[in-house]
Amino acid sequence: SQTIHQWPATLVQPVGSPLSLECTVEGTSNPNLYWYRQAAGRGLQLLFYSIGIDQISSEVPQNLSASRPQDRQFILSSKKLLLSDSGFYLCAWSGQGGVLGGYTFGSGTRLTVV
Amino acid sequence: RKEVEQDPGPFNVPEGATVAFNCTYSNSASQSFFWYRQDCRKEPKLLMSVYSSGNEDGRFTAQLNRASQYISLLIRDSKLSDSATYLCVVSVQSNAGKSTFGDGTTLTVKP
Repeated sequence: SQTIHQWPATLVQPVGSPLSLECTVEGTSNPNLYWYRQAAGRGLQLLFYSIGIDQISSEVPQNLSASRPQDRQFILSSKKLLLSDSGFYLCAWSGQGGVLGGYTFGSGTRLTVV
Repeated sequence: RKEVEQDPGPFNVPEGATVAFNCTYSNSASQSFFWYRQDCRKEPKLLMSVYSSGNEDGRFTAQLNRASQYISLLIRDSKLSDSATYLCVVSVQSNAGKSTFGDGTTLTVKP
């Protein structure tokens, strides 16, 4: 069966520090991968999606970046965090061919920038 | 106007009640529709897909009205454990699997 791992679960970082969040998927190959962010009390905002290795699409301008160095690994990074980067970051995967089966989300990383 | 709109609630209902949520979407090219459930401080989890013919899973019934561009979720015989935020999700297949999430409707079921 397919599983998705995301870490860390909680992170407190000072403004201006770098960020690296990692997500890995097991039990499937060539998944679509996604990074979402959820601000407190709000819906999910798509940040990046990837349909293959080194194929990244950005949805919103920001100081975040994403990379996919391996088929089942998706990394979210920032060189310098802003206060506005605080939020609940969720990695998700779906099968190739779209989202007919919906997404499966990782357990999320709650980031607080102080 | 948001692409996907939901009544944020909160909906506060007693155990055993029937409650319905609606969600409207603006993109007429939308092809896939889902309801997700999100517990407090947890990740969303797929509750059910929504088909044109309507579908039922136990106490949950989902309906799609393409002409009016809305989907609905009906929960019968509410349980305390149904308390959560319910997210409406709409996808356009041509968008490489990208989906648009509503902001969610919060349900609290009380004893």
